[in-house]
Amino acid sequence: EIVLTQSPGTLSLSPGERATLSCRASQSLSSSYLAWYQQKPGQAPRLLIYSASSRATGIPDRFSGSGSGTDFTLTISRLEPEDFAVYYCQQYEAFGQGTKVEIK
Amino acid sequence: QLQLQESGPGLVKPSETLSLTCTVSGGSISNSNYYWGWIRQPPGKGLEWIGSIYYTGNTYYNPSLKSRVTISVDTSKNHFSLRLSSVTAADTAVYYCATIRAGIHLFDYWGQGTLVTVSS
Repeated sequence: EIVLTQSPGTLSLSPGERATLSCRASQSLSSSYLAWYQQKPGQAPRLLIYSASSRATGIPDRFSGSGSGTDFTLTISRLEPEDFAVYYCQQYEAFGQGTKVEIK
Repeated sequence: QLQLQESGPGLVKPSETLSLTCTVSGGSISNSNYYWGWIRQPPGKGLEWIGSIYYTGNTYYNPSLKSRVTISVDTSKNHFSLRLSSVTAADTAVYYCATIRAGIHLFDYWGQGTLVTVSS
């Protein structure tokens, strides 16, 4: 069973700052299967990044993904007001527990 | 573009069976590029995959729920369904249906979600 551990649990930042979110897998797997989702209150998750580093359709280039093996990162280069949300990583049928990006 | 819509009762009594349907529009549920899945999210918590089905009827279930879950597909109606038996308050959650892109296990289209509360 794959376990994905995200850190930190909460990230308090100001608009314009850089956000770096981590996702660590319990076992080394292909980066082809690592995805990131954004979820805002009352909404379904939205696919942001797939195959560790490819942006989904319509996703701004301030969102980027990187990593391989067991360690993956989602970076938001300059936070916009609409980026404050919860972010989940996913691999196969496993989801991380989420990182909340909140306004400082 | 694929669109998914969940439907079903919002309130289920303890020990009874939760039943939901996901209707697919904008494409065929027989599309070989996708599996069709159910995911749930208890209030204030994270996402949990419940199970998935291929249009051929092949099913895959979360081991922790496998004894209580049945997912079925009706290609003539372009929808798939979830049944979860013997529910308790711990099954209270927003239930989402989603597409899962075959080969890369990507949840790329989601329904809006429906809240199911288990309470007497």
